[in-house]
Amino acid sequence: DGGITQSPKYLFRKEGQNVTLSCEQNLNHDAMYWYRQDPGQGLRLIYYSQIVNDFQKGDIAEGYSVSREKKESFPLTVTSAQKNPTAFYLCASTGRNSYNSPLHFGNGTRLTVT
Amino acid sequence: DAKTTQPTSMDCAEGRAANLPCNHSTISGNEYVYWYRQIHSQGPQYIIHGLKNNETNEMASLIITEDRKSSTLILPHATLRDTAVYYCIVSAGNTGKLIFGQGTTLQVKP
Repeated sequence: DGGITQSPKYLFRKEGQNVTLSCEQNLNHDAMYWYRQDPGQGLRLIYYSQIVNDFQKGDIAEGYSVSREKKESFPLTVTSAQKNPTAFYLCASTGRNSYNSPLHFGNGTRLTVT
Repeated sequence: DAKTTQPTSMDCAEGRAANLPCNHSTISGNEYVYWYRQIHSQGPQYIIHGLKNNETNEMASLIITEDRKSSTLILPHATLRDTAVYYCIVSAGNTGKLIFGQGTTLQVKP
């Protein structure tokens, strides 16, 4: 079945370490997104990419980096510069025309930094 | 993108219809109304979307008022598995930059 795979589901890191979260999709979608969700809060957009080798900052990009070398993959690196990295991270994708192409989400990675 | 207002929480009896309201009084003519839901510790799931006309699919119905300033998501026969946070979002952005607020927590009770 087509979908979005995020791995791992749970991730633990020490403060000061960079960590990379994986996101792979086999939906042949052009656009991919990374969101962050804190307890009891909505989703906030970190980065998005509409085509390969191109990406834009979302609302809270500071302390994060991404790459889009392949259509299927959009990894997110949480750097040591991110002040409060502990959160639930969600990856999503959609076809190029978002008017009739709803977002498909992965099941998230819960990152805990101590 | 227009902002939406939803009740913080709602209860519904199992087997009854769940009617979730959403206000979007500043919606623009080219903005769609999207509904998603999120079950605890999972990614949001798309439910339905519409522009002007009422829409129905296998999961739910979406009723949009004539002036498009509000809408209602209807789950016709709620089950315990429908307990989730429901997000109403309006957007016209080509980037798909949907703004997820805090949504409505729907509790379906036996």
